[in-house]
Amino acid sequence: DSGVTQTPKHLITATGQRVTLRCSPRSGDLSVYWYQQSLDQGLQFLIQYYNGEERAKGNILERFSAQQFPDLHSELNLSSLELGDSALYFCASSGVGTSSYNEQFFGPGTRLTVL
Amino acid sequence: TQLLEQSPQFLSIQEGENLTVYCNSSSVFSSLQWYRQEPGEGPVLLVTVVTGGEVKKLKRLTFQFGDARKDSSLHITAAQPGDTGLYLCAGVNAGKSTFGDGTTLTVKP
Repeated sequence: DSGVTQTPKHLITATGQRVTLRCSPRSGDLSVYWYQQSLDQGLQFLIQYYNGEERAKGNILERFSAQQFPDLHSELNLSSLELGDSALYFCASSGVGTSSYNEQFFGPGTRLTVL
Repeated sequence: TQLLEQSPQFLSIQEGENLTVYCNSSSVFSSLQWYRQEPGEGPVLLVTVVTGGEVKKLKRLTFQFGDARKDSSLHITAAQPGDTGLYLCAGVNAGKSTFGDGTTLTVKP
């Protein structure tokens, strides 16, 4: 158990809909990362937050947005969903945003299926 | 853009065999991590290497960081079915991580 929790574990929805994925980082971790992993592919970095502020952006679509709240939990919002958005979405957290080691601890993921 | 190339992409071996997977880049990293991911689960951190030429051992797994801190290797001795999974390397610079696409390892009993 990494200490990172994600809800829901599974999500099935239809094209055009909007969903929200939730992540709670390990206790004390200030950084939260979101990744997308499609079938048989590596991790695609979406976005990073550090202590409530956006720190880095990856290949995140304009239809997607995220935020980190004062209690450090984070939400990833996916809108106007398309079939190609079906994937595993992982959240990870790390201890210190400026650490050169940047060791990340991943949650169990949310499997999103868009029908 | 810092890219990490992992090879081979897929590897299927018999239980008891040895194997090495590679992680290469043209960029220098301040540190590098290896993660293992089992199907349907999140990646789990195995090791962080920091110093050029550093070698770390974790039971049957041996990790090496290249002298120039641009590449790394993971060697598994006497592989077991429990080693099956996706092995990801991640290079770190200025607090930012770049992940490779991974090596999918299958160890057959």
